[in-house]
Order: sequence, then structure tokens, then C-alpha cells
Amino acid sequence: KAGVTQTPRYLIKTRGQQVTLSCSPISGHRSVSWYQQTPGQGLQFLFEYFSETQRNKGNFPGRFSGRQFSNSRSEMNVSTLELGDSALYLCASSLAVDTEAFFGQGTRLTVV
Amino acid sequence: SQKIEQNSEALNIQEGKTATLTCNYTNYSPAYLQWYRQDPGRGPVFLLLIRENEKEKRKERLKVTFDTTLKQSLFHITASQPADSATYLCALPNPGGGNKLTFGTGTQLKVEL
Repeated sequence: KAGVTQTPRYLIKTRGQQVTLSCSPISGHRSVSWYQQTPGQGLQFLFEYFSETQRNKGNFPGRFSGRQFSNSRSEMNVSTLELGDSALYLCASSLAVDTEAFFGQGTRLTVV
Repeated sequence: SQKIEQNSEALNIQEGKTATLTCNYTNYSPAYLQWYRQDPGRGPVFLLLIRENEKEKRKERLKVTFDTTLKQSLFHITASQPADSATYLCALPNPGGGNKLTFGTGTQLKVEL
């Protein structure tokens, strides 16, 4: 079966712009989580959605937001981009609570 | 919040030897702990999950132990191969429920011929 699909794979944006990243989870998985990975901070949790509701939220500013659709696909949005937002953004889906997470290939965002 | 420590220094070992990676955590004791492998530029790949009532778990050449008294998990790769070279991450769940994971910084393993 198809894995977690993230689009686009690469993005270059200018400071102040906004960006939307997309994630299609594995079929049947209703939990979708987003993470930011940088060399300095490692993997940091952004938020989790389950059945279109945000279930958990990390310690990121309000410029970072997300949503989940009825088909479990999820998007995350970053507004007013800053240079420090340059990172690999990873999406993970899970079948149930307390089970393994399946990660996508990530979206590499570069802010210039 | 949970703090997770993994050996930040890279681990270099010879092919055929056993690699042992350490994950130490503070604060609350998690119901389970997970290990992931990550290759450069790719998303982490799940390897093993061990629950608090399990002392040890094995999968092929992989073995994980979980000591809730020491607040430590050890991850072993036996008969290591160059293809095992990657960064290995341990992850703990959020005590509030859901699928939020807190990851360690990872240990980079390099298996040399």
C-alpha cells in the first residue's frame, strides 16, 4: 500500500511570504502529525490532527497552523516566513494511538 | 517536559561487531518507547516499539531493552553491516495521550569495513 506522501518535496520562499505544505497519510490512518527538523533543534513536534480535530500542539508560534480534511489529508501553513523557518518538515501518520508512526519523505523548505 | 538524551557523538564500529546505542530520559516514565532509523534527507523509519512491561524485544538483528528504574533504553544491532550506517532516534510518547512523540537528538552510527 502507498506510504505517506508529502508535497512538494522542495520549496524556496522569501522572508515574509507564506507557505502551505500537504500530506496524504496512509489509507485508513486518521492520525496525522507534523514535525520540524533542523540541525540545531532536531525533530520537534508541531501538531497532531485526528478526525479533523487538533489533538496535540507543540511549542511553536501562531504563524504555524494546520488542518485536516475529512479524507484525513492534512495541510500545514506557515505565515510571515522567517529565515529560521528553513527546515525539513515531516508528516507522520498512525493507525491508532500508541502505535508506530509512518513518516513521509518530508518537504525541504528554504527561506531566503 | 520530557528530556531525552542520546549519545550525540557519532559511533564508529567495524563490520560484524555489535553496536549499542543509549537513550536516557528524565521526568515521567513512558508507557512505551520507540526506535527509528533516519537516513540523510529522508523521513525516520520505525524499527521497534517496547512497552514498559517488556524488558527486551527482538527483531532480526535488532534488540531493544527498557529499564524503567534506570530510565534507560539500549538499542543493539548485532553482526552490523555498512548498510546499518544511519542516525538512530529514540522517541517517547506524550503522557497526555495521542500520537505526539518527543524525539532524542539521535546517534549517528557508521559501520566500517
